[in-house]
Amino acid sequence: DTEVTQTPKHLVMGMTNKKSLKCEQHMGHRAMYWYKQKAKKPPELMFVYSYEKLSINESVPSRFSPECPNSSLLNLHLHALQPEDSALYLCASSLWQGVHNEQFFGPGTRLTVL
Amino acid sequence: GQQLNQSPQSMFIQEGEDVSMNCTSSSIFNTWLWYKQDPGEGPVLLIALYKAGELTSNGRLTAQFGITRKDSFLNISASIPSDVGIYFCAALDSNYQLIWGAGTKLIIKP
Repeated sequence: DTEVTQTPKHLVMGMTNKKSLKCEQHMGHRAMYWYKQKAKKPPELMFVYSYEKLSINESVPSRFSPECPNSSLLNLHLHALQPEDSALYLCASSLWQGVHNEQFFGPGTRLTVL
Repeated sequence: GQQLNQSPQSMFIQEGEDVSMNCTSSSIFNTWLWYKQDPGEGPVLLIALYKAGELTSNGRLTAQFGITRKDSFLNISASIPSDVGIYFCAALDSNYQLIWGAGTKLIIKP
């Protein structure tokens, strides 16, 4: 199994809603990432988990809350989002957070905040 | 901060043509990666480069890690319609995070 899966594929939410994005990989990777991507731009790093511990938070607003329940799963909890948070949210994983860090991406969740 | 300068920004190609794109930086990197992204999908890793001067192929794709460690090139030979998309270069910084180029959009001429 060499893929990263993400659910849902599409999500529409209001500014008062609470929702969660889910990511799963079964490659034995110990580093997992959340990225945000706006149209026609490269991905922007949000969070990094290494061995199930949060290692990097790129000054992301607290309305985004990551969680890593185990080495295969990564969640992103969303609450009180703003319309400007609408974007493609990508999950990625790599063997570890170190040298030769080939990151493999999931298909993304297209989020629309109304 | 560190930046990768990717060019060209977009390319119009005819089926069967060879394609070249490159990424340059003022900083030295030890790992260069090339990804392709289709609309509404996540980036797919095409080629990873770890050694200065290294030339690596993946089917019709060939990528090179520049000898100065400040640049990388991607070539696509005999392009086909499914080659359209956005190609991103990326390099691993000292914190093992990816620095990205702005992307090269490949478009097929009608």
